[in-house]
Amino acid sequence: EAGVTQFPSHSVIEKGQTVTLRCDPISGHDNLYWYRRVMGKEIKFLLHFVKESKQDESGMPNNRFLAERTGGTYSTLKVQPAELEDSGVYFCASSQVWAAEAFFGQGTRLTVV
Amino acid sequence: AQSVAQPEDQVNVAEGNPLTVKCTYSVSGNPYLFWYVQYPNRGLQFLLKYITGDNLVKGSYGFEAEFNKSQTSFHLKKPSALVSDSALYFCAVRDIPTYGGQNFVFGPGTRLSVLP
Repeated sequence: EAGVTQFPSHSVIEKGQTVTLRCDPISGHDNLYWYRRVMGKEIKFLLHFVKESKQDESGMPNNRFLAERTGGTYSTLKVQPAELEDSGVYFCASSQVWAAEAFFGQGTRLTVV
Repeated sequence: AQSVAQPEDQVNVAEGNPLTVKCTYSVSGNPYLFWYVQYPNRGLQFLLKYITGDNLVKGSYGFEAEFNKSQTSFHLKKPSALVSDSALYFCAVRDIPTYGGQNFVFGPGTRLSVLP
């Protein structure tokens, strides 16, 4: 069974540009989460989908971040325009609705220069 | 609000020796507790979880963790460390899942170095 897959694994962009991160969850997992780890600090929650609906987006830092999950399958996280402080590792995780644990992807390392 | 503390940024241990990575938590109710590990250039891998029952839970790669409610701790342990255990370890907590789930709250991570 395939795990959570994230694309790209690395992205280097200039300040002001747009970047779109993609996450493919484990098949059948209705829960999909986005987290990020900035500058070696804590892993912080960004938002949570249940199927195609945003259950909780309280962790989204500002309106430069837009997440979608069309059809309740894969999800994208767009940063537009990117700022230097957006650099970090963005993790996606998925789980079954009633499950305790979630499974994480390998992360996308975003560097804004 | 939930919070997780990992008091040590770095833990060094000699190969073959027992290891402990510490975690304490603060929650309003009964928590679900987790350990995840991140190997270099890899994603977060689930190691083990505590939900209820026996305070000593066993997980992947020979790791185990001990839940202590009175001390609000969930320390990760392994009887004999391997060089390949060197990685970044994260403790996490979440509320009891309801439909739609609850998000995880992570600690800052502890870097474990096992020296040959």
